[in-house]
Amino acid sequence: DGGITQSPKYLFRKEGQNVTLSCEQNLNHDAMYWYRQDPGQGLRLIYYSQIVNDFQKGDIAEGYSVSREKKESFPLTVTSAQKNPTAFYLCASSKGRDSYEQYFGPGTRLTVT
Amino acid sequence: GQQVMQIPQYQHVQEGEDFTTYCNSSTTLSNIQWYKQRPGGHPVFLIQLVKSGEVKKQKRLTFQFGEAKKNSSLHITATQTTDVGTYFCAGRLTGGGNKLTFGTGTQLKVEL
Repeated sequence: DGGITQSPKYLFRKEGQNVTLSCEQNLNHDAMYWYRQDPGQGLRLIYYSQIVNDFQKGDIAEGYSVSREKKESFPLTVTSAQKNPTAFYLCASSKGRDSYEQYFGPGTRLTVT
Repeated sequence: GQQVMQIPQYQHVQEGEDFTTYCNSSTTLSNIQWYKQRPGGHPVFLIQLVKSGEVKKQKRLTFQFGEAKKNSSLHITATQTTDVGTYFCAGRLTGGGNKLTFGTGTQLKVEL
């Protein structure tokens, strides 16, 4: 059963703690992406990776970090430096560069209090 | 700031009425994609448009890409309750690399 998995679905943390969101894909896609979605808003790009061991900042990278050590995995760490971390986080993947559709995971809803 | 805007932000229609959402970019797009996100779900790819003036249809959905490749529209004929959700356009900005810039989305509600 191919697709993208994100875990957990809901995550609760105290302010000041770092938290890592998981994203795994078995689609053999080269590119992976992390987006943040706030209520009633569109998707904003946090980080993306087009190949293993390489990634680029998106539009709102401050307070976040990523790694891409394996093709299948692209974890996102929300650090304590992120001022407003409560949001819905979506991971996506695509075949690669240039004009490919993106496949999204089910998302992780993070609440920081 | 946001470079891809969508209007309207919300739309309530009666079942059977038509619906249109418009997507406008401040810069030329190399291509544009449309996604649908059901309430509580994740975005799902609908279609991609590449050529200037391109029109594509999927059953009751008609997608257009403007001649200047700066705007696009999605039109749904005779809406059904299954059309409920938020529709996003997403464009690759010319000179913007390989990332997609998502529009602000239009939330569609369909009432019986």
